[in-house]
Amino acid sequence: SQQGEEDPQALSIQEGENATMNCSYKTSINNLQWYRQNSGRGLVHLILIRSNEREKHSGRLRVTLDTSKKSSSLLITASRAADTASYFCATALSGGSNYKLTFGKGTLLTVNP
Amino acid sequence: KAGVTQTPRYLIKTRGQQVTLSCSPISGHRSVSWYQQTPGQGLQFLFEYFSETQRNKGNFPGRFSGRQFSNSRSEMNVSTLELGDSALYLCASSLAFGQLAQTQYFGPGTRLLVL
Repeated sequence: SQQGEEDPQALSIQEGENATMNCSYKTSINNLQWYRQNSGRGLVHLILIRSNEREKHSGRLRVTLDTSKKSSSLLITASRAADTASYFCATALSGGSNYKLTFGKGTLLTVNP
Repeated sequence: KAGVTQTPRYLIKTRGQQVTLSCSPISGHRSVSWYQQTPGQGLQFLFEYFSETQRNKGNFPGRFSGRQFSNSRSEMNVSTLELGDSALYLCASSLAFGQLAQTQYFGPGTRLLVL
C-alpha cells in the first residue's frame, strides 16, 4: 500500500506562478523526501526533510512538514516550463531503513509557457 | 563524478523468459536499492543491498532476486517473466546504510517490456 499520497494528482499552471503540492502519509517517519521525474525517466532528488524539521528551502523550493497532521507540502515559486514533471513524495519509516522509501503516486505538474 | 548507470536501458522479452538488469552506483556509494515503477502500482520498493548483503526486501514474489558484488555493483534478476513485470526498473545508490538519512541518487532506469 502507498504510504504517501500526493494531492492534487495533476496541476496545470502558467509560467511565473507558484505551484503547491501536498503529501499525506500514514505512519511515523524518519524523514520525507521529494523527487522529480521527467517523462518516465529516472528520479531526481529535490529535498529531504527530517522528522524533527518543520521547513526547508532549496532555491525556488520550499518544503514544510507537519508530523502532527502527517503531511508535507512542496512549494515551487516562480515556476518555469522546465519544471514540468511528475513530483513524488517518499517516506522513510521511523525505525526502518532509510533506503526503503515508500513513494506516493505523484503529482503531474504542467507549467505552460 | 559519474551518476548511477543502468544497463540495458531498454529490453523486450517474452513470457517465461528471465532477465538480468545491472546497476553501477556512484563511485564510493555502497548501498544500492531497486524499485519497480508501473502506471498502476506506482513506485514500489524491491530490495536494498549493502556490503553484498540484502538488508531489506519488498513484497515481491521470489521470482525477483538480486545481488551485490564487492565493487558495489548490483544486479537484479527476474525469472519466468509475466506480462505484469513490464515496468521501469530503477536503481538508486547511497553512501552508506544506517539510520542517518541519506539522499538516494537514482539511475535512468531500465524499461522492460514483456510480450
